Amino acid sequence: AQSVSQHNHHVILSEAASLELGCNYSYGGTVNLFWYVQYPGQHLQLLLKYFSGDPLVKGIKGFEAEFIKSKFSFNLRKPSVQWSDTAEYFCAVIKDTDKLIFGTGTRLQVFP
Amino acid sequence: DGGITQSPKYLFRKEGQNVTLSCEQNLNHDAMYWYRQDPGQGLRLIYYSQIVNDFQKGDIAEGYSVSREKKESFPLTVTSAQKNPTAFYLCASMGAGGWDEQFFGPGTRLTVL
Repeated sequence: AQSVSQHNHHVILSEAASLELGCNYSYGGTVNLFWYVQYPGQHLQLLLKYFSGDPLVKGIKGFEAEFIKSKFSFNLRKPSVQWSDTAEYFCAVIKDTDKLIFGTGTRLQVFP
Repeated sequence: DGGITQSPKYLFRKEGQNVTLSCEQNLNHDAMYWYRQDPGQGLRLIYYSQIVNDFQKGDIAEGYSVSREKKESFPLTVTSAQKNPTAFYLCASMGAGGWDEQFFGPGTRLTVL
């Protein structure tokens, strides 16, 4: 079945560590890609998105993601995490319709 | 402030009762969505509506119903036929043109006792 996979279910880091969260999708052709973040007690909000052009996309709060078409991947990165980055992160894909397909999410805990 | 409101924030119901969750948006968006969020399963699409008076089933529509009589409103009814209704429910909307960012409400946590 076509899907979005996030293989890291729970990541625990110390402040200043580097972060990379994996996202792979199984859809061929043109896709739009998103990373959403859900901070504790807050709305789900957009972190960054890729539609076309430069495959390295920069988002809010120092996050970036790289689209690698040959690997069907859209991994999220941050060079140095902060305690305030503790949240749940969701990768999502739109293809063909207006339906967003979400991954299962990665829970990130950052300790001071 | 433009945005999406969901009410109530917490909802408790007895097993066998239908319950309706409210979702209102003032973003003038055409498309609206309902998702269910369960731990370790991400967000799963229940129903969506791309225009007033029209809606489509998502991946897990069984036991749910919706209506879209107004552009601003997209209520979700959790019926007694839904076998495992206890969950966190999120409403979202998207502007014209599609294929773009969805904006989410704060969610309603439904607990069926």
